[in-house]
Amino acid sequence: SAVISQKPSRDICQRGTSLTIQCQVDSQVTMMFWYRQQPGQSLTLIATANQGSEATYESGFVIDKFPISRPNLTFSTLTVSNMSPEDSSIYLCSVVGATQGEQYFGPGTRLTVT
Amino acid sequence: KQEVTQIPAALSVPEGENLVLNCSFTDSAIYNLQWFRQDPGKGLTSLLLIQSSQREQTSGRLNASLDKSSGRSTLYIAASQPGDSATYLCAPHNAGNMLTFGGGTRLMVKP
Repeated sequence: SAVISQKPSRDICQRGTSLTIQCQVDSQVTMMFWYRQQPGQSLTLIATANQGSEATYESGFVIDKFPISRPNLTFSTLTVSNMSPEDSSIYLCSVVGATQGEQYFGPGTRLTVT
Repeated sequence: KQEVTQIPAALSVPEGENLVLNCSFTDSAIYNLQWFRQDPGKGLTSLLLIQSSQREQTSGRLNASLDKSSGRSTLYIAASQPGDSATYLCAPHNAGNMLTFGGGTRLMVKP
């Protein structure tokens, strides 16, 4: 399995500002993903974070709003830009483990935008 | 596009009962299917991974079955305990290791 940490664990931000969320994994992994979980909802994939190239975004998510960096095989960041109250969610990163394709999730970052 | 439905949406049972949580998905071209547990305000904990070639997988009191051709998976929880109270999420894996999540089953086990 993989051990994943995220920073910050939670934050309260004002609308119009930006927040960068960090995801650190204890081993090198090829595939990392970012998900959003809006209040009372299930998880929705935002993007696949690719090492050495631009992230691949899902329908409804754009790079200008959710820029992603993946500088190496153990670390990624997701920025939520120009925030509005609708961005209030839990943001989670996940990785694919070394065997059998099992995915592991970080503890999440709870974001509240006021 | 993969769509996942979980039934029931919520379940409240007394301690000790055996439980059945259902998951159905529309695209049977999956590689794996994973069951997760999520405690309120927390991240996801992987419970079981069933590969597409397998029909079931067991871990302790948990048993998950997969019928890929009919697009169904079932999670059985034996002898439920209050500590099992959480939301259970089903997620089939499609190409590119992409997971699609169902809405979850919110389980409450009463002492």
